[in-house]
Amino acid sequence: GAVVSQHPSWVICKSGTSVKIECRSLDFQATTMFWYRQFPKQSLMLMATSNEGSKATYEQGVEKDKFLINHASLTLSTLTVTSAHPEDSSFYICSARFGMNYGYTFGSGTRLTVV
Amino acid sequence: DAKTTQPPSMDCAEGRAANLPCNHSTISGNEYVYWYRQIHSQGPQYIIHGLKNNETNEMASLIITEDRKSSTLILPHATLRDTAVYYCIVRIQGAQKLVFGQGTRLTINP
Repeated sequence: GAVVSQHPSWVICKSGTSVKIECRSLDFQATTMFWYRQFPKQSLMLMATSNEGSKATYEQGVEKDKFLINHASLTLSTLTVTSAHPEDSSFYICSARFGMNYGYTFGSGTRLTVV
Repeated sequence: DAKTTQPPSMDCAEGRAANLPCNHSTISGNEYVYWYRQIHSQGPQYIIHGLKNNETNEMASLIITEDRKSSTLILPHATLRDTAVYYCIVRIQGAQKLVFGQGTRLTINP
C-alpha cells in the first residue's frame, strides 16, 4: 500500500531557531501533500496544501512566512517552522493523496517541542 | 464540505462489535464518507470510505443510510488495539483536502 515517511519523529529546538520536517511518499508519486498540526486532546487542523512545483495554499490564519512549505519533487514535501516559539510546540502530520478516488495516507507525525 | 457530528466518546467490550455513528445530514450527492482512526501519538490510519453503497473490507464495514444523512462504522470484533479516536469525514468528489472534525474516542474494555 501507499506509504508516507515522515522525519524526524520528534525534535526539540531552542526558541528562535528553525526546524525542517520532511515528508516522503515511498512507493507512489504524490502531486499533492497536506500538512496538519494537532494540539493535545484536539483534532487535526489543516495548515496547508502543498502542490508539486507550485506555491502552497495556506488555510486561513496560518502564517505562510512562518511555516514554509516546499514541494520540489513528486515524492518530497518539507515544512520548515521558522523562528520557532514555544507556542509552535505541537504534533505536525503530513498526508498525501494517491489517486483521485482513493484515500489519503498519513505520515507518523513529528512532535516538535520548542524550549 | 458537509459537516459531520459524532459522539465524543464510546465504550465497547472486547470481542463485541463496535458501532460508531456519524451524522452528516447536509451531505450532497457527490460527497464521499471517509473513516479514519488515530491511535495515540500516531498519524491517522485509513479505514474505509463509501459514496452510497455499504462497503466492507478487512478492517470494518460502513453502513450508509438510504438518504445518506448518516452512517455507521462497524468493527465486527473489537480488540484492545482498536482503542483510538475515530474520525468521520465527508469530502466532495474531486476536492483535494480532508478536513477533520472532533471524532469519537472509542475505548475497548477487557
